[in-house]
Amino acid sequence: QKEVEQDPGPLSVPEGAIVSLNCTYSNSAFQYFMWYRQYSRKGPELLMYTYSSGNKEDGRFTAQVDKSSKYISLFIRDSQPSDSATYLCAISGTSYGKLTFGQGTILTVHP
Amino acid sequence: ETGVTQSPTHLIKTRGQQVTLRCSSQSGHNTVSWYQQALGQGPQFIFQYYREEENGRGNFPPRFSGLQFPNYSSELNVNALELDDSALYLCASSLPDRGSYGYTFGSGTRLTVV
Repeated sequence: QKEVEQDPGPLSVPEGAIVSLNCTYSNSAFQYFMWYRQYSRKGPELLMYTYSSGNKEDGRFTAQVDKSSKYISLFIRDSQPSDSATYLCAISGTSYGKLTFGQGTILTVHP
Repeated sequence: ETGVTQSPTHLIKTRGQQVTLRCSSQSGHNTVSWYQQALGQGPQFIFQYYREEENGRGNFPPRFSGLQFPNYSSELNVNALELDDSALYLCASSLPDRGSYGYTFGSGTRLTVV
């Protein structure tokens, strides 16, 4: 079993839709949860960061962590064509440790 | 504008050869990690350096090695290249007080082994 599972999609939605991206993980020791966005031929860039359980909102993006279910989510409201990218969840057990990534979900937002 | 620069952008090598990939981080970024990203997969942790010492390693064989220099640059060396080493290699660096959430990734080096 992989430490982090992420549905690779691909996911195609119309502009303005609400997008839900999800990951599950197996190790309860994970404490730090991140979402990265990766455009084609670019490195990942950090979108959201959450420590332990709870919700965090930043503009159109909301990250949720449910440690009891070992489930993390990223919601994108009012999706835009510029949101088209690969979205990667990443998890770490320590503040300075390695990042364990999911497979990535390819998202396309069409006008 | 990313503060992490990787070179070269693309590289083609023959199986069995050796390769060195380079990364230049921002000043003060004394933690650097290297990741391998196969096509259609998420990045996999290779190793991490802190103040020029390796302080964490993923499930990669010893033919993957690295160096970190005092000027915040670093190298990833891969010996005896195999076809499965074809991937995007990413360098990520962080300030001392930012930790796991503070990594800035470079755009990567696309390595093709033929």
